[in-house]
Amino acid sequence: NFMLTQPHSVSESPGKTVTISCTRSSGSIASNYVQWYQQRPGSSPTTVIYEDNQRPSGVPDRFSGSIDSSSNSASLTISGLKTEDEADYYCQSYDSSNQVFGGGTKLTVL
Amino acid sequence: EVQLVESGGGLVQPGRSLRLSCAASGFTFDDYAMHWVRQAPGKGLEWVSGISWNSGSIGYADSVKGRFTISRDNAKNSLYLQMNSLRAEDTALYYCAKAITGVLQDAFDIWGQGTMVTVSS
Repeated sequence: NFMLTQPHSVSESPGKTVTISCTRSSGSIASNYVQWYQQRPGSSPTTVIYEDNQRPSGVPDRFSGSIDSSSNSASLTISGLKTEDEADYYCQSYDSSNQVFGGGTKLTVL
Repeated sequence: EVQLVESGGGLVQPGRSLRLSCAASGFTFDDYAMHWVRQAPGKGLEWVSGISWNSGSIGYADSVKGRFTISRDNAKNSLYLQMNSLRAEDTALYYCAKAITGVLQDAFDIWGQGTMVTVSS
């Protein structure tokens, strides 16, 4: 089994851009799609990125995803930060037998 | 409206059993794989188990293998999780989640509100 490692927390000011990383411990990051979920306090997770860089309908284009094979990592970038973006963000991927979540990153917008 | 509603959680003693249910509506249930994901208080998300659209492919996290059993009834648009030999570390909010296709290895797009399971004597 592999692991996905995320920074515990990040913070940035409104209007700025923030990037959250997600590093795969073994196996290629490109071998299976990466998803990103947003979880606001007291709420269920929602999908903000699926299949590395696809946005579900209703998710603003301020949210974007990418993968970098050289660092074996995925990234979630949020531009034009709003206070409503303050939440926990989880990356997720899978292999033939398991689904794996990263430990989550708490985004503070201050 | 696409909706997943979990039920069956509660307070249970260590070693006992509990069965969770997830009622789906607003989409063609038997087209999609379904999963259970849990979140211990103050902790992150942990995948528990998943089942493909036709129950032909099933997976479990190592932490629950041999104790939990996932199943689905496509005629009733329902997903289940039978949890046996419960431990204190199984205490969590259990979410039902819909996959974006019928296979296990894929993203989740719809989540329920969760049902809380507390294992304590």
